[in-house]
Amino acid sequence: HLVESGGALVQPGGSLRLSCIASGFTFSRSWMSWVRQTPGRGLEWVGSIKEDGSDKYYVDSVRGRFTISRDNTKNSLDLQMSNLRGEDTAVYYCATGMASLWGQGTLVTVSS
Amino acid sequence: DVVMTQSPLSLPVTLGQPASISCRSSQSLVHGDGNTDLNWFHQRPGQSPRRLINKVSNRDSGVPDRFSGSGSGTDFTLKISRVEAEDVGLYYCMQGAHWPNTFGQGTKLEIK
Repeated sequence: HLVESGGALVQPGGSLRLSCIASGFTFSRSWMSWVRQTPGRGLEWVGSIKEDGSDKYYVDSVRGRFTISRDNTKNSLDLQMSNLRGEDTAVYYCATGMASLWGQGTLVTVSS
Repeated sequence: DVVMTQSPLSLPVTLGQPASISCRSSQSLVHGDGNTDLNWFHQRPGQSPRRLINKVSNRDSGVPDRFSGSGSGTDFTLKISRVEAEDVGLYYCMQGAHWPNTFGQGTKLEIK
C-alpha cells in the first residue's frame, strides 16, 4: 500500500515536496521510484532510489532540480522538486522499484 | 533513451474475443544477466496503473490467466485470450533494461 501527498498548484520557478508512505511490505528492502503521467506525454519515469538510499537515478529532464530521498525508519519516500516548470505538471505516482505496486497519485500543477 | 512503440493505439474488441497488443523497443531489452526486462501494465479510467506481466511472460499475483506475455529481444506481445468487460482501459509496455525506464504510448482497449 502506497499513499502519496503534497500535490498542489505552484508557480513556475517554485518548489514543492511530495511524500509517500508505504505499508504492507518491507520498505527497507525495496527500491522505490517516482513516475509521472500527463495526458500529452503519457507515463514518464522520474527517478529511483536504492534500498538504503546510497544510489539515486533521475531522468535527464529533472536531474539537478528534483531530489529523491527516503527514511526507512518511517517507511517514507520523498520527492523534493525545485525550479518547477510548466512541463512538470502531472500526476505523480510513488511506486516500488519496478512498479509492481503504485500509489493513487498526487496532482502537481505548475502555472501562474 | 529506449523508444517503446505500441500497436495498435486503439483496440475495439467484442466481449469473449481475443485481443493482442504489440510492443517494439528501439534496443534489445536483454540484460547482462540474461533476463529480459519487459513489463505490461493496465490502467482503468481514473485508477493508477497495475502491473500485469513482468520479465516478458511472468504474470503478477492475482492476474487472471487469460493474460499472457511473450516475445524476445525487441518484439513483444500481450495477449488476452477472452476479453471481459473489466479489461477496458489503457495498456502500456515498459522496459527496465536501460536507464531511464521508458513506457510505450499506450493502447486503449474498448468493448465494441
